[in-house]
Amino acid sequence: QSALTQPPSASGSPGQSVTISCTGTSSDVGGYNYVSWYQQHPGKAPKLMIYEVSKRPSGVPDRFSGSKSGNTASLTVSGLQAEDEADYYCSSYAGSTVVFGGGTKLTVL
Amino acid sequence: EVQLVQSGAEVKKPGESLKISCKGSGYSFTSYWIGWVRQMPGKGLEWMGIIYPGDSDTRYSPSFQGQVTISADKSISTAYLQWSSLKASDTAMYYCTRYPLGGYTHPDYWGQGTLVTVSS
Repeated sequence: QSALTQPPSASGSPGQSVTISCTGTSSDVGGYNYVSWYQQHPGKAPKLMIYEVSKRPSGVPDRFSGSKSGNTASLTVSGLQAEDEADYYCSSYAGSTVVFGGGTKLTVL
Repeated sequence: EVQLVQSGAEVKKPGESLKISCKGSGYSFTSYWIGWVRQMPGKGLEWMGIIYPGDSDTRYSPSFQGQVTISADKSISTAYLQWSSLKASDTAMYYCTRYPLGGYTHPDYWGQGTLVTVSS
């Protein structure tokens, strides 16, 4: 199966909001409410930020939120902070496997 | 506290075999799926496959089926990723990942990564 589609880059100024999209198909994103988002800083392992479309693990700031419409999921980061600059990856359950997006580099201007 | 501790970096030659490991602690190892994710240099994350240590049920991404073997030894709470004949294109960081109770919808915990370098 193909990777989910994410924009290669996104940016925003401190305090602003930015939204990253993740487009799949009815076999993955559109077929299940199992979309997750991961943050990865350079040289570090990914960290779970959002699971099951819109749930936040304990310890993740509520500035991070997720949503889904049809075959496209979105991650919104509100009140951007310098430490939010990182790569962000979406993933979706796809029936018998899991598929990741290509990643989006978020730059805080 | 859930921890996944992976084995150290490896440097191998093409054609050699390799087995890297991931030791889980802080949870019931046999009750959660555990698997592997590849990240090639400068690239994104790729889901390779998973194993349920309780009964060794294993699932692979079609892209990695036949290319690697995932196994687990529940007596020592350790999962493995194995190659029989490495290629230069296997050079990557490999992350061990655990999944939530009841399924494998998304990795919730990640190991620190094992860098595998394959070069002649």
